[in-house]
Amino acid sequence: KQEVTQIPAALSVPEGENLVLNCSFTDSAIYNLQWFRQDPGKGLTSLLLIQSSQREQTSGRLNASLDKSSGRSTLYIAASQPGDSATYLCAVTLSYNTDKLIFGTGTRLQVFP
Amino acid sequence: SQTIHQWPATLVQPVGSPLSLECTVEGTSNPNLYWYRQAAGRGLQLLFYSVGIGQISSEVPQNLSASRPQDRQFILSSKKLLLSDSGFYLCAWSGTDTQYFGPGTRLTVL
Repeated sequence: KQEVTQIPAALSVPEGENLVLNCSFTDSAIYNLQWFRQDPGKGLTSLLLIQSSQREQTSGRLNASLDKSSGRSTLYIAASQPGDSATYLCAVTLSYNTDKLIFGTGTRLQVFP
Repeated sequence: SQTIHQWPATLVQPVGSPLSLECTVEGTSNPNLYWYRQAAGRGLQLLFYSVGIGQISSEVPQNLSASRPQDRQFILSSKKLLLSDSGFYLCAWSGTDTQYFGPGTRLTVL
């Protein structure tokens, strides 16, 4: 059974810092991995999607990497801003069942001025 | 463009009362639809998904049921709510490679 874990559970940093969020998964047979952002009391917004054949994806100040063989992904946020404060969730799609996403428990990020 | 709606946004219900949450999608046809629950301090748990009208797959045994009476309508129901049903309920539809989420319903069972 695929399990997705995110570390740390919570993170508080001053504005301007570069930071790394970690995601690990137990079954390397994934179709893709995604990072989502969730603002308090809101739905999820997709940030980055990495196909299983890819190593990384970038969007603005965000960079996500994928090491499928070791079951790990990282989300790197450069020059953090207070507007980055949110919960970040990673999710994997299994290669043998692409209908479903399996989510990690999330990292709650607070960036203070 | 595609949009997804959920209502109500917030709901407070007594234990033992019935539940009906509705999700509708616009701008796409025959989408895969999903119901998730996010309990306090826990991750997103997939409850049900549907690949078409009347086709429902249940992921976990529970006090809830789902129905899909129309192509773009997905309903989450319960006959008698439990305290443990409290949480944030999210509906989603599946596009190319990713899922798009609705704004959610905050359910508090007292």
